[in-house]
Amino acid sequence: DAKTTQPNSMESNEEEPVHLPCNHSTISGTDYIHWYRQLPSQGPEYVIHGLTSNVNNRMASLAIAEDRKSSTLILHRATLRDAAVYYCILRRYGGSQGNLIFGKGTKLSVKP
Amino acid sequence: GAVVSQHPSWVICKSGTSVKIECRSLDFQATTMFWYRQFPKQSLMLMATSNEGSKATYEQGVEKDKFLINHASLTLSTLTVTSAHPEDSSFYICSASGRLAGAYEQYFGPGTRLTVT
Repeated sequence: DAKTTQPNSMESNEEEPVHLPCNHSTISGTDYIHWYRQLPSQGPEYVIHGLTSNVNNRMASLAIAEDRKSSTLILHRATLRDAAVYYCILRRYGGSQGNLIFGKGTKLSVKP
Repeated sequence: GAVVSQHPSWVICKSGTSVKIECRSLDFQATTMFWYRQFPKQSLMLMATSNEGSKATYEQGVEKDKFLINHASLTLSTLTVTSAHPEDSSFYICSASGRLAGAYEQYFGPGTRLTVT
């Protein structure tokens, strides 16, 4: 499985945008880029996913590099509730319901 | 949205006893369910994958006789930790995969914190 690399931790101020980077230089053509986040003592929560084009939803935006070797999760206005560990995961589709392999993720701290 | 529940949310048991954890998909049918374990300050580690009506597939290093998984219906999977020991104390999280809005996604339960004394 292709691996992802994320910074261990990042800090942000409340109500400011946050850009969480992820490198996935060995990504294959059928790998989708998924982002999940895990709040303390809770199960992971789906945030967003994409293949090639940038994606927006009510939680965040996902910017994917043209060569797909990196991506950035964008939280437009961080709130204290966004403090969590954010995981960037590659997942292969093609009818597969395969498991998600979690790396160490990025621990985001949000300062008031 | 898709909701996955787990019961209990936390449990304390004595060493040598068995504990059963339930995972339910509340508003969709889950053909595949996954069980993860997470130790403090670590990431989630996949333990096993179960498909409805089939035997679970365990990851390397996970004892299938110790962690019994049953996926009897499309909405329920159970994990039984048999003869639990203090080193089994962990945060156990299930996820369910189902087809919603034309695509398969994986939805996670809130987790069960197991403490073995």
